[in-house]
Amino acid sequence: DAKTTQPPSMDCAEGRAANLPCNHSTISGNEYVYWYRQIHSQGPQYIIHGLKNNETNEMASLIITEDRKSSTLILPHATLRDTAVYYCIVLRNFGNEKLTFGTGTRLTIIP
Amino acid sequence: GAVVSQHPSRVICKSGTSVKIECRSLDFQATTMFWYRQFPKKSLMLMATSNEGSKATYEQGVEKDKFLINHASLTLSTLTVTSAHPEDSSFYICSARLGEQYFGPGTRLTVT
Repeated sequence: DAKTTQPPSMDCAEGRAANLPCNHSTISGNEYVYWYRQIHSQGPQYIIHGLKNNETNEMASLIITEDRKSSTLILPHATLRDTAVYYCIVLRNFGNEKLTFGTGTRLTIIP
Repeated sequence: GAVVSQHPSRVICKSGTSVKIECRSLDFQATTMFWYRQFPKKSLMLMATSNEGSKATYEQGVEKDKFLINHASLTLSTLTVTSAHPEDSSFYICSARLGEQYFGPGTRLTVT
């Protein structure tokens, strides 16, 4: 699976959009980009995933660059409850592949 | 989304004893479940893949005789930490697959 690179930490003001970047320059054509988050002392929570088109759901938007070498997770109106570690994961077939968690980005929402 | 539960949420045991952790998929059946371990301020590390009706597949470096996994039904997988030692103290998290992977809330094990 392709390796991902994320900044170790970020701060964002409450109510503003939080933009979390992820580099996956070695991604191959059949690999998806998945985002999970882990709030302190809880299990990870699925957020969103995409292949090459931008995606949006009730939690977030995922913007994937045209060359697919990087992506950005956008939380449009961050709240204090969004404080968590966010993991960007790349894998081929979600059904059969194992999730490999990197170090993620620790996002802190500031009141 | 789908719900995965774990029991217990927190357990303290004495060194040398065994501890069983249960992982249940509450509203779906899962032929495959996964067990992770997470040390403080570290990322999740996959320990093993639990397959219903067959033996678990362990990641490199994980002792299968120490971390016994049983996936006896489509909704239940158990992880037993045998002869626990203080270095086994960790946050253990399971997940079950239904399209995406859904994670349990985790079990914090403290071995004294």
